[in-house]
Amino acid sequence: SQQGEEDPQALSIQEGENATMNCSYKTSINNLQWYRQNSGRGLVHLILIRSNEREKHSGRLRVTLDTSKKSSSLLITASRAADTASYFCATDNAGNMLTFGGGTRLMVKP
Amino acid sequence: DVKVTQSSRYLVKRTGEKVFLECVQDMDHENMFWYRQDPGLGLRLIYFSYDVKMKEKGDIPEGYSVSREKKERFSLILESASTNQTSMYLCASRRPREAFFGQGTRLTVV
Repeated sequence: SQQGEEDPQALSIQEGENATMNCSYKTSINNLQWYRQNSGRGLVHLILIRSNEREKHSGRLRVTLDTSKKSSSLLITASRAADTASYFCATDNAGNMLTFGGGTRLMVKP
Repeated sequence: DVKVTQSSRYLVKRTGEKVFLECVQDMDHENMFWYRQDPGLGLRLIYFSYDVKMKEKGDIPEGYSVSREKKERFSLILESASTNQTSMYLCASRRPREAFFGQGTRLTVV
């Protein structure tokens, strides 16, 4: 069963705009992670937020976590054409397993 | 840099064949994973290994087996390939925090 579900499934924006992706999950977590996948390639880790954190920043990325609502959001500010990719959230429960959602396909038009 | 290497990028096999997908990591990680990725379904966990000779079933283990005889190598085995196993297969290894992915193997079963 998939733990995380991303929303929207697809997002198309202009270069320079901000992109927001959301993730909902079902059970308690140790941390939540976001990954990026360029077309037909493996995933690359972007950022991790622990269950006791509410917000985290890394460059143009901002992640929030609301454990009461079991949801997280990833904000990419000032998007670039090179940000075009699929983005996945993954939940880390006790036991070292990482469970991924269905992903959000982001297209940034130049 | 951590490197996770999958033996093939593209593979075409016939129905009924026994198929081996190999994955090697060079960072002495204890945890290794096999996922399959299908359009609209995200990444689904097939098997997880937390040490040599140790394994746990993921969400979709049917039709697959795994082997971990050495820490650096985690093999996925399709005992008798079927057309519904046509998919992208992704291997990953992880530290306590993030996971590192191979480039993926796109398997087609004809």
